[in-house]
Amino acid sequence: KAGVTQTPRYLIKTRGQQVTLSCSPISGHRSVSWYQQTPGQGLQFLFEYFSETQRNKGNFPGRFSGRQFSNSRSEMNVSTLELGDSALYLCASTSMGLNTEAFFGQGTRLTVV
Amino acid sequence: EDQVTQSPEALRLQEGESSSLNCSYTVSGLRGLFWYRQDPGKGPEFLFTLYSAGEEKEKERLKATLTKKESFLHITAPKPEDSATYLCAVQGGRSQGNLIFGKGTKLSVKP
Repeated sequence: KAGVTQTPRYLIKTRGQQVTLSCSPISGHRSVSWYQQTPGQGLQFLFEYFSETQRNKGNFPGRFSGRQFSNSRSEMNVSTLELGDSALYLCASTSMGLNTEAFFGQGTRLTVV
Repeated sequence: EDQVTQSPEALRLQEGESSSLNCSYTVSGLRGLFWYRQDPGKGPEFLFTLYSAGEEKEKERLKATLTKKESFLHITAPKPEDSATYLCAVQGGRSQGNLIFGKGTKLSVKP
């Protein structure tokens, strides 16, 4: 069974640019969550999508947005990049059945210069 | 506000030296407590889910326990390959799908 796939693995962007990251969840999983991981703040929740609807959102500015498609694949977008957006962005998928554990992808390492 | 605190921040052990990692939490209506292992540059790898006080789960050299206020991850006779950052997370009653993570414990096991 394939795991959570995130693309690309690495990105280097310039301040002010925008970026789109992609996440394909485990087959059959309908919930996708996004997290930002930095050395100082650890893992912080960005947002969660279920059946193409955003169900929950963390405390991040509006420059961070996302969407989910009918096949459960998800994208997140960051506009007007800032140096502080440099982080490992992680996607997690959950089956939403009896087992509530989230399975993470390898992440996308974003560096803003 | 839901909160997770892990201690110690870093732990250095000799191979075979057993120890425990602590995860203290405050959450409104615990739906689940999760342990993950994370290697450098990789995503967290799921280890355990605990749902209620008194519950215990084991996997190889790892054993996770849960009380009403904290969870412990016991590591018995660790090996160098157990070196990683161990993350604890909770899902509370107010959340829908999101996890609140602690900052993690970085474990180093020396041969």
